[in-house]
Amino acid sequence: TQLLEQSPQFLSIQEGENLTVYCNSSSVFSSLQWYRQEPGEGPVLLVTVVTGGEVKKLKRLTFQFGDARKDSSLHITAAQPGDTGLYLCAGGTGNQFYFGTGTSLTVIP
Amino acid sequence: GAVVSQHPSWVICKSGTSVKIECRSLDFQATTMFWYRQFPKQSLMLMATSNEGSKATYEQGVEKDKFLINHASLTLSTLTVTSAHPEDSSFYICSARVGAPYEQYFGPGTRLTVT
Repeated sequence: TQLLEQSPQFLSIQEGENLTVYCNSSSVFSSLQWYRQEPGEGPVLLVTVVTGGEVKKLKRLTFQFGDARKDSSLHITAAQPGDTGLYLCAGGTGNQFYFGTGTSLTVIP
Repeated sequence: GAVVSQHPSWVICKSGTSVKIECRSLDFQATTMFWYRQFPKQSLMLMATSNEGSKATYEQGVEKDKFLINHASLTLSTLTVTSAHPEDSSFYICSARVGAPYEQYFGPGTRLTVT
């Protein structure tokens, strides 16, 4: 059972546009991670958020953890072709990790 | 820090043979590692949790006799696909759990093709 739903599932945008990816659940998580994965490689950890309402920025990427710690969003400003990849959220609770359904992003030059 | 390696990065084998994939934590000790399977443009499917010095915990629907996991040391976990069939062809990824709150660091993955 997928506890974390991501939307959109697929996204294709032009270079320079902004976008937001959502990660939603009915469950509360003690922490939430975002990963980016390129084809043929393992996922790379981008950020971990642990406090409800927390906002973290990583260059052009802004991550937010929902107040109730059930959802999160990833906003990319002025997307670049190098941002292309599969974005995965993962919620942690106790000793378990639950991965989201994934968002495949393509940024067209 | 927190570097995880996998070997081999890709392997082609014949149907009926067995394949072993290694997952190593290079600069830290990992009491818990995870094995995932992934299909193109899809999310990760957890297969099993590998615990150092004890039996692995398999997810529902994963055959433990087919996917043998051994976590004999704090830096090495292995996944052996026994009697491989074409439907076992996939991208297999391992990860190690680190820190508190826990984060996962992933290996680069192994592409298995069974002919």
